[in-house]
Amino acid sequence: DARVTQTPRHKVTEMGQEVTMRCQPILGHNTVFWYRQTMMQGLELLAYFRNRAPLDDSGMPKDRFSAEMPDATLATLKIQPSEPRDSAVYFCASGADRGRRSYEQYFGPGTRLTVT
Amino acid sequence: AQTVTQSQPEMSVQEAETVTLSCTYDTSESDYYLFWYKQPPSRQMILVIRQEAYKQQNATENRFSVNFQKAAKSFSLKISDSQLGDAAMYFCAYNFNKFYFGSGTKLNVKP
Repeated sequence: DARVTQTPRHKVTEMGQEVTMRCQPILGHNTVFWYRQTMMQGLELLAYFRNRAPLDDSGMPKDRFSAEMPDATLATLKIQPSEPRDSAVYFCASGADRGRRSYEQYFGPGTRLTVT
Repeated sequence: AQTVTQSQPEMSVQEAETVTLSCTYDTSESDYYLFWYKQPPSRQMILVIRQEAYKQQNATENRFSVNFQKAAKSFSLKISDSQLGDAAMYFCAYNFNKFYFGSGTKLNVKP
């Protein structure tokens, strides 16, 4: 049963600390997406990759957030330094596409981040 | 710009009845994908059903079906024989390059 995995599932940290979230996409998928979900903003796209190349990170605060795919089995999202307003659930999703259209996208269970 | 609108923030349905959730979108593309996702209280986002824009036939997955009206840019989800486990947030999504999500509809199922 192929699924997207995310670690950690929960993270509580103090303001100013670095936070790293990891995602293992489904084997064979060529796209990876990072989303943030809050009650106020709903589901926001932070960044996405196709074939490990970053295609769009316009939704990501550039001064503190960074996203990478060091290899096909690992995607990371880092926040440095973290702030209380970063508290949210962060989802990773992987998918497969034909050309510019994704015919499937599956989500991981999410990382619930709390910054105090 | 692509936008996805779900005009019903919350809906209720009686168990075993049928309910339809609405979604409209805006795009200038002709070939794209549309999706419905379910998010129960566990927060897991679950893919319910997808539709390819160039296919006229409406997608169906067991009790879930869509009414896809391409000219009207409408993509509604029908849930038949509603069950208590169907209670969740439902998100409509459009894909061309990246995904665009609606704001969600909270579905309550009454026993």
